[in-house]
Amino acid sequence: DVVMTQSPLSLPVTLGQPASISCRSSQSLVHSNGNIYLNWFQQRPGQSPRRLIYKVSNRDSGVPDRFSGSGSGTDFTLKISRVEAEDVGVYYCMQGTYWPRNTFGQGTKLEIK
Amino acid sequence: EVQLLESGGGLLQSGESLRLSCAASGLTFTNYGMNWVRQAPGKGLEWVSTISSTGGTTFYADSVKGRFTISRDTSKSTLYLQMNSLRADDTAVYYCVAGGNDCAYWGQGTLVTVSS
Repeated sequence: DVVMTQSPLSLPVTLGQPASISCRSSQSLVHSNGNIYLNWFQQRPGQSPRRLIYKVSNRDSGVPDRFSGSGSGTDFTLKISRVEAEDVGVYYCMQGTYWPRNTFGQGTKLEIK
Repeated sequence: EVQLLESGGGLLQSGESLRLSCAASGLTFTNYGMNWVRQAPGKGLEWVSTISSTGGTTFYADSVKGRFTISRDTSKSTLYLQMNSLRADDTAVYYCVAGGNDCAYWGQGTLVTVSS
């Protein structure tokens, strides 16, 4: 299976400051159709995961534009331009290129300093 | 609005069986591959099983292969997970997830606790 490695695993951030999470895959995530199925999810405390970003950089409906995704090949990044209190939670990357054996990163816990 | 409503979780003894259900609404059920993803207490997300949009193909994580069976009923827009020979390490919140490559929609989850 493709291994997804996130860093850092813990991310204390001051309100209003930027935050960045890295996600690396053990194999290229470029699908034979040319798409890259790299997704980002947010899991707030006590809630189920919610997709934020699909295919590397596409924001889901209702996701604030302070969230952005980028990357290619095996290296990907989720950025939050200015962290707000509601952003506290755990963030996961997930590859779907090798569907059905989707795999998740370990999760990055974002907290407010 | 898409809704995925799981049910069927509970507290069981090791070796027992359980069937989870997921009622889908707000989406064209037959257009979506469906998945079960689980999360053990305090842990990350683990893919468990997938069924294709037609129901013709199923896939399982090695950890559940031979013990769990995924199925879907198109007439009821409902996804199922039959879990047999349950073990303590199957204890988790089980999420119903719509979408193949992209896992677009998630249910609220149902808790399965297996006591040894």
